[in-house]
Amino acid sequence: AQSVTQLDSQVPVFEEAPVELRCNYSSSVSVYLFWYVQYPNQGLQLLLKYLSGSTLVKGINGFEAEFNKSQTSFHLRKPSVHISDTAEYFCAVLTSGSRLTFGEGTQLTVNP
Amino acid sequence: GAGVSQSPSNKVTEKGKDVELRCDPISGHTALYWYRQRLGQGLEFLIYFQGNSAPDKSGLPSDRFSAERTGESVSTLTIQRTQQEDSAVYLCASSLRPGGGEQFFGPGTRLTVL
Repeated sequence: AQSVTQLDSQVPVFEEAPVELRCNYSSSVSVYLFWYVQYPNQGLQLLLKYLSGSTLVKGINGFEAEFNKSQTSFHLRKPSVHISDTAEYFCAVLTSGSRLTFGEGTQLTVNP
Repeated sequence: GAGVSQSPSNKVTEKGKDVELRCDPISGHTALYWYRQRLGQGLEFLIYFQGNSAPDKSGLPSDRFSAERTGESVSTLTIQRTQQEDSAVYLCASSLRPGGGEQFFGPGTRLTVL
């Protein structure tokens, strides 16, 4: 079965610092990978996705992620964070063709 | 509407009562999904619709849970004889097509079972 592990449940950083949110997946088949963001009291919003092609994927709000097949990772990065990036971030893998299997989330808190 | 909508936004019920949660997907989206998000946890898949059929309902936690969809429109998730462990945010998503298409999420229904 496919699964997703987000290695850090909470990541506190200072404003304008770089950040990396880690995600590892397990899958024996081709994978489609996603990062979603959930702002307080809101639904999930897609940040970026990897379906095929270039392993470096750029998303909204200056985020990017790199698909690494050998390390089965899909870490999310941003070179300089803002207070407004404070949110919960979820990594997900498309399973069985249609359902998303999510990690448990990483709470990113950006402090001034 | 412009996005996925869900109603009610909040629902408080007593243990043992039945509840119905509604999802209106984006117009034209053939695929619809239900997920559950317990406090402090990730999302758990419940059921997936393609049109009005459910090819994958393996995530429904018990036979107290059921869902239906009218054509490629509204879906209703019903929980019978609610239990306290059913308390969670229930999220609905829709996509233009299954398998790789972006899933657009609604704001969720927060269910509290007392």
